[in-house]
Amino acid sequence: DQQVKQNSPSLSVQEGRISILNCDYTNSMFDYFLWYKKYPAEGPTFLISISSIKDKNEDGRFTVFLNKSAKHLSLHIVPSQPGDSAVYFCAASAPDSWGKFQFGAGTQVVVTP
Amino acid sequence: NAGVTQTPKFQVLKTGQSMTLQCAQDMNHNSMYWYRQDPGMGLRLIYYSASEGTTDKGEVPNGYNVSRLNKREFSLRLESAAPSQTSVYFCASSEGIGEKLFFGSGTQLSVL
Repeated sequence: DQQVKQNSPSLSVQEGRISILNCDYTNSMFDYFLWYKKYPAEGPTFLISISSIKDKNEDGRFTVFLNKSAKHLSLHIVPSQPGDSAVYFCAASAPDSWGKFQFGAGTQVVVTP
Repeated sequence: NAGVTQTPKFQVLKTGQSMTLQCAQDMNHNSMYWYRQDPGMGLRLIYYSASEGTTDKGEVPNGYNVSRLNKREFSLRLESAAPSQTSVYFCASSEGIGEKLFFGSGTQLSVL
C-alpha cells in the first residue's frame, strides 16, 4: 500500500522551460517532505525539503509547494538545465513513524536542448 | 570527502548463498539505514539503526539481518538469498533519526 505516489513515471522538458513534478500522499499524518535526485549508478542526493508548517520552500532554481488539504506537493525547477536530467523521488515521514521515510516510485526527467 | 561508502558495488549470488553488504559513513552520523529499490517502486526501508547499539525493522525486513558494528558501520546480511531479493540496495545515514538522508552509491545484487 503505497502512501506516496508519483503518478508520472517520466517527464520531458525543453532546456530553459519549467519542470513540474508532482507527488500525492494518502497519510494525513505526514509532516515532513523531501525531494531527492538520482543519477544512474549513483545514490539519491538530497535536493530540498518542506515541513507541514509551510506551504512553499525555495532554494535557487528549485521550489517545493505543499498543499496539505489536497495532500499534494510539487517540485518546480526553473529554468530546467541538461544537468537536471535524472530521476526525482519524493519522500515523506510522520511524527509517529520516527524517521521511516516513505518514498514515491520516482519520475524520470529528461531535459532536451 | 567519502560520505557513505558501500561495498560491493555488484554481486551475483545463487539461491541459498549468503552474503554481507558493508556500509560505512564518515560524517559522524548517529542513524543509519538500509533500503532496497525495485523497478516501479520507491525505496523501501529494510532495517535502520537510530543510534549505535540499536537496530529496528523497517517495512521489508524478512530474509535480512543487520549489525551496527560501531557508529560508522552498518552491515546487511542475507542468510539464504532468494531471487526475490534481487534488487539495488542503498545504505544511508542521517545526523539523527528523521533527518535528511545521505545515500551511498548502491549495490546491484542479482540472485539466480
